[in-house]
Amino acid sequence: KAGVTQTPRYLIKTRGQQVTLSCSPISGHRSVSWYQQTPGQGLQFLFEYFSETQRNKGNFPGRFSGRQFSNSRSEMNVSTLELGDSALYLCASRRVGLAAQETQYFGPGTRLLVL
Amino acid sequence: GNSVTQMEGPVTLSEEAFLTINCTYTATGYPSLFWYVQYPGEGLQLLLKATKADDKGSNKGFEATYRKETTSFHLEKGSVQVSDSAVYFCALSLVIQGAQKLVFGQGTRLTINP
Repeated sequence: KAGVTQTPRYLIKTRGQQVTLSCSPISGHRSVSWYQQTPGQGLQFLFEYFSETQRNKGNFPGRFSGRQFSNSRSEMNVSTLELGDSALYLCASRRVGLAAQETQYFGPGTRLLVL
Repeated sequence: GNSVTQMEGPVTLSEEAFLTINCTYTATGYPSLFWYVQYPGEGLQLLLKATKADDKGSNKGFEATYRKETTSFHLEKGSVQVSDSAVYFCALSLVIQGAQKLVFGQGTRLTINP
């Protein structure tokens, strides 16, 4: 079974631009979560989507947004990029079933550099 | 609030040495606990998990036991290999009204020398 895939893997943007990152979950997984990883702040939760609805949101400004499609694929968008948005953005998927706690499986990430 | 604290790295060991990476947590409710590993240039891979108190997770020679009384989930391996060099993250997971998020520790960089 294919794992979580993310595109693109690398991206260079300039301040003020916007960017869209894509994530395809493992087949059969309905939830997609996004995390930001930086050397200074570590791994921080951005948001979770399932059934095309945002279910949970971390402490990030409104410039960070996302959406989920009917096939469970998800995109996240960052508008008006700032230098501090340079990070590895990780996507994770989980099944969403009867178990209260489910494992999240991560993709390889998209490395964003803002100049 | 919910938080995870890991021992500070970096940790450098010789091959075949015993490894312990300490992890303690603070949580409301009853979290599941995870160890993830990140190799250079890659995403996070699940190493092991435990979903309730006294559960032991194990994989590839690594073990960790969910200790509710000490709020700990320390990672151990009896004999490390050069290929174990990576960054290790301890995490807790909480589910609230069906939504789930992972809270991570700061990561511990492990280097194994031959």
